Amino acid sequence: GESVGLHLPTLSVQEGDNSIINCAYSNSASDYFIWYKQESGKGPQFIIDIRSNMDKRQGQRVTVLLNKTVKHLSLQIAATQPGDSAVYFCAETRTGGGADGLTFGKGTHLIIQP
Amino acid sequence: EAQVTQNPRYLITVTGKKLTVTCSQNMNHEYMSWYRQDPGLGLRQIYYSMNVEVTDKGDVPEGYKVSRKEKRNFPLILESPSPNQTSLYFCASSHGTLNEQFFGPGTRLTVL
Repeated sequence: GESVGLHLPTLSVQEGDNSIINCAYSNSASDYFIWYKQESGKGPQFIIDIRSNMDKRQGQRVTVLLNKTVKHLSLQIAATQPGDSAVYFCAETRTGGGADGLTFGKGTHLIIQP
Repeated sequence: EAQVTQNPRYLITVTGKKLTVTCSQNMNHEYMSWYRQDPGLGLRQIYYSMNVEVTDKGDVPEGYKVSRKEKRNFPLILESPSPNQTSLYFCASSHGTLNEQFFGPGTRLTVL
């Protein structure tokens, strides 16, 4: 069954504001988490990743937070721009018992209002 | 340019007519995978391959076959396509599973 999920299917924010996209996972054995961005008509594109031995990782305008206690992952996008409009997926992978790749959440559609 | 390519990008076919979607990567990645993406269901893994001649079922393998005879290629085979296989398909590759996966541009398949 689905082990990774997102709280909101759509998130609308004003241009220039910060965005926070949330994700919950159910498997405590998850080792590695990735956020992907998918623009219309394209394949998913890597944004940022985090391993289970970390609780925060920062990139350019993006930050991923991992709370293993409550099995929660979030993606923060600073000063959102029109080009940030896309569907965002969290994904997790479990390496115990066979490396079967990524399990994706259903996605959150981020809409940037002018 | 490092990339994952898929062909065809669009395909309309009829029930029962065998088809193959090709996937190729030029990054010398060991790990390759196929996903299907459906509205409301997100991305679901069909099959994956840890290396040449090693393939395993993902979450939704029924109705699909794959092969990995060479490191760079990972074709997806539908022996007898059915309408419920109408979907958007993505191939991906990476250096192992604990690394960023690079996705191809997608293949939109319609089975009538």
